[in-house]
Amino acid sequence: GQQVMQIPQYQHVQEGEDFTTYCNSSTTLSNIQWYKQRPGGHPVFLIQLVKSGEVKKQKRLTFQFGEAKKNSSLHITATQTTDVGTYFCAVHTGGGNKLTFGTGTQLKVEL
Amino acid sequence: DTAVSQTPKYLVTQMGNDKSIKCEQNLGHDTMYWYKQDSKKFLKIMFSYNNKELIINETVPNRFSPKSPDKAHLNLHINSLELGDSAVYFCASSQDGEGGYEQYFGPGTRLTVT
Repeated sequence: GQQVMQIPQYQHVQEGEDFTTYCNSSTTLSNIQWYKQRPGGHPVFLIQLVKSGEVKKQKRLTFQFGEAKKNSSLHITATQTTDVGTYFCAVHTGGGNKLTFGTGTQLKVEL
Repeated sequence: DTAVSQTPKYLVTQMGNDKSIKCEQNLGHDTMYWYKQDSKKFLKIMFSYNNKELIINETVPNRFSPKSPDKAHLNLHINSLELGDSAVYFCASSQDGEGGYEQYFGPGTRLTVT
């Protein structure tokens, strides 16, 4: 089945440093979603990208969809402790709004 | 107001027991899901229901049986629990239709089988 790989699996940064997680698919995607899961919490939708080369920003977060629609990235500028959590990309595969989640990147931010 | 709620939040039980997890959403969505998240944080879909009908059924042991009494509720019953069933189970919901809709997750049920 569809596999969606994310790198890195873990990332420790100092507060104020930037952070990027990458999501890669072997097949062309119709769209891609990003979710954030705080420690002990549940996944929360962040954004959806649909168009080739699309770039969207949410405050310090920048989301990008690759030109070939096979990869995506999430970049956080000047991380804060509130950014701690696991970031997942998710892609639609099959029918029924089925989402296949990426392997996730766990971000830890140290003071 | 909680959009997607699950009960119980924690469930500790012994191998061989049968247990149920309940989920309710007040968002008016037609589609609901069950996900399993293991200790490595991998999040995998198990089932999806649309307006009380099963539409996604991944490779899940038949000890797991979902039931949807109405479109606002989706319960998960697990028979003969095994150690490997220990995980966090998330319920989610979304608008109807083919891809492109965000999913709203419940707070999760942490199941520990001893």
